[in-house]
Amino acid sequence: SQELEQSPQSLIVQEGKNLTINCTSSKTLYGLYWYKQKYGEGLIFLMMLQKGGEEKSHEKITAKLDEKKQQSSLHITASQPSHAGIYLCGADMSPNDMRFGAGTRLTVKP
Amino acid sequence: GAGVSQSPSNKVTEKGKDVELRCDPISGHTALYWYRQSLGQGLEFLIYFQGNSAPDKSGLPSDRFSAERTGGSVSTLTIQRTQQEDSAVYLCASSLWGPGSRDEQFFGPGTRLTVL
Repeated sequence: SQELEQSPQSLIVQEGKNLTINCTSSKTLYGLYWYKQKYGEGLIFLMMLQKGGEEKSHEKITAKLDEKKQQSSLHITASQPSHAGIYLCGADMSPNDMRFGAGTRLTVKP
Repeated sequence: GAGVSQSPSNKVTEKGKDVELRCDPISGHTALYWYRQSLGQGLEFLIYFQGNSAPDKSGLPSDRFSAERTGGSVSTLTIQRTQQEDSAVYLCASSLWGPGSRDEQFFGPGTRLTVL
């Protein structure tokens, strides 16, 4: 089983709608990363969270790390077709051990 | 600026053949990572290099997999006697320092390997 559980596996939303993707671990994380992947372009780094309760925003994307540092959510406000892709969470399970979730495939319908 | 590049972008091979995948990291990055993403699976860590040495080879799935890095730059991942379960996208990433510093990893576009 995945050490990082990501949900949902896929998501289809209408343009303009808000959405949330979750990433959960049973262990306390040293650091949590969110990436976006488009085929042929590799992974694009979105945000890194390290402190419990931390929240970061970039344009219409907000990521939060809970106080226990075991769960993170990625929230997109007023989704656009350009937001479509695969969102991956990655985490430092220990200083030298990074794991990834299985990814969430986001489709935004115009 | 130049990012991480990988070649080839796509590789189709027959079962039992050997393949070499190449990664060119960002210039000056000391750490280089190889991952594998199989259909429906998350990213699977394979190996990472700090300079030319590989402190952690624990993720290599079998002894058919090997990797080297020369001159602290280019890395090659070699898969011998490929099997169908080796089919996946192989991703390379580099970072300035290494996993302990938790700095950002920059990913290449990946090599899609298909073993027939």
